[in-house]
Amino acid sequence: GIQVEQSPPDLILQEGANSTLRCNFSDSVNNLQWFHQNPWGQLINLFYIPSGTKQNGRLSATTVATERYSLLYISSSQTTDSGVYFCAAAGSYQLTFGKGTKLSVIP
Amino acid sequence: GAVVSQHPSRVICKSGTSVKIECRSLDFQATTMFWYRQFPKQSLMLMATSNEGSKATYEQGVEKDKFLINHASLTLSTLTVTSAHPEDSSFYICSAIRRTGGTEAFFGQGTRLTVV
Repeated sequence: GIQVEQSPPDLILQEGANSTLRCNFSDSVNNLQWFHQNPWGQLINLFYIPSGTKQNGRLSATTVATERYSLLYISSSQTTDSGVYFCAAAGSYQLTFGKGTKLSVIP
Repeated sequence: GAVVSQHPSRVICKSGTSVKIECRSLDFQATTMFWYRQFPKQSLMLMATSNEGSKATYEQGVEKDKFLINHASLTLSTLTVTSAHPEDSSFYICSAIRRTGGTEAFFGQGTRLTVV
């Protein structure tokens, strides 16, 4: 199956800073999604982005399918952005999750 | 949007009893649903793929007799943890894909199971 690697595993930012989270995947995909897991465990769907670029407010994502990676950009970070960010990829329908990036935004 | 509702959100049960978790797609029909398990501070691991009207497909290492999955309709899949033991305590999350096409998965809120 597909292997998904995320980096960095941990990231500490000062409030207001920008950050880039990376997701590498081992094979061609027809689904790639980014999630933010809140403190209660719920997965918040950030982007469905098997290819191309999307933006939603301070967040944007780019997937370069031919090079098998995706990037999540967070600009002007806020303390509420803290949490774990997961990338998940699928070659068909079954998503494989990366290990996540734990983001801590400090005031 | 596409909403997936999971119930209960939290359950505590005694060792040896069974617990049923429901996963419903509220505003769309889902041919395929998935069940994941997450241990503390770890990632989500796929347990099984559930297709409406057919038997679930389990991932390697997942006991199908312990984790019974039923997908009787296009909007409901259930996971029953049978004869639960403390090591079954975990966070269980379901997801669903629209029957009308596309590959985007929509996730439920998750169920935190504690077996005492």
